[in-house]
Amino acid sequence: AQSVTQPDIHITVSEGASLELRCNYSYGATPYLFWYVQSPGQGLQLLLKYFSGDTLVQGIKGFEAEFKRSQSSFNLRKPSVHWSDAAEYFCAVGARTALIFGKGTTLSVSS
Amino acid sequence: GAGVSQSPSNKVTEKGKDVELRCDPISGHTALYWYRQSLGQGLEFLIYFQGNSAPDKSGLPSDRFSAERTGGSVSTLTIQRTQQEDSAVYLCASSSRLAESYEQYFGPGTRLTVT
Repeated sequence: AQSVTQPDIHITVSEGASLELRCNYSYGATPYLFWYVQSPGQGLQLLLKYFSGDTLVQGIKGFEAEFKRSQSSFNLRKPSVHWSDAAEYFCAVGARTALIFGKGTTLSVSS
Repeated sequence: GAGVSQSPSNKVTEKGKDVELRCDPISGHTALYWYRQSLGQGLEFLIYFQGNSAPDKSGLPSDRFSAERTGGSVSTLTIQRTQQEDSAVYLCASSSRLAESYEQYFGPGTRLTVT
């Protein structure tokens, strides 16, 4: 069955430090992979997506993610975190008619 | 253009009452999705509409839940005889071409509280 695992429920990072959020997926075919961000009281905003081609994809707000087929992973990274990045982050895999989401990782940013 | 809009933003209802939640997708988007976001369950797919095809209702949790999409645009999610476990944020999303991507754009959600 298709599934997405985000192993870290909550991460705290100092402002200016680097960030990596982990995502592992289980999917039968070539996956369509996404990262979304949700700020408190807001809907989901698409950060980046992977369909094919270059395994390192760039997104908005300085985020990037790398698709590693051998590890079934699609980790999200940012070299320098800003306080405004504090939010909940969701990894998702495209299914036939819907997205399957991980449980999310809450990012806190300390000063 | 405008994004996905949902109304109301908040809804408080008494157990046993029916509620209707509305979604206006991005103009021209042929696919429309409903999801439910609740504590402990994360984001769950409920139902999917694509053009004039029969909807995929495989995610609806019970027969108290139904949805329709009129004129290929606006959608209404109806929950009958609401229960406390229905309390959640209901998110709507739309996308343009399923064949090429599953990229979905989400609305702000409707927070439903059943008392």
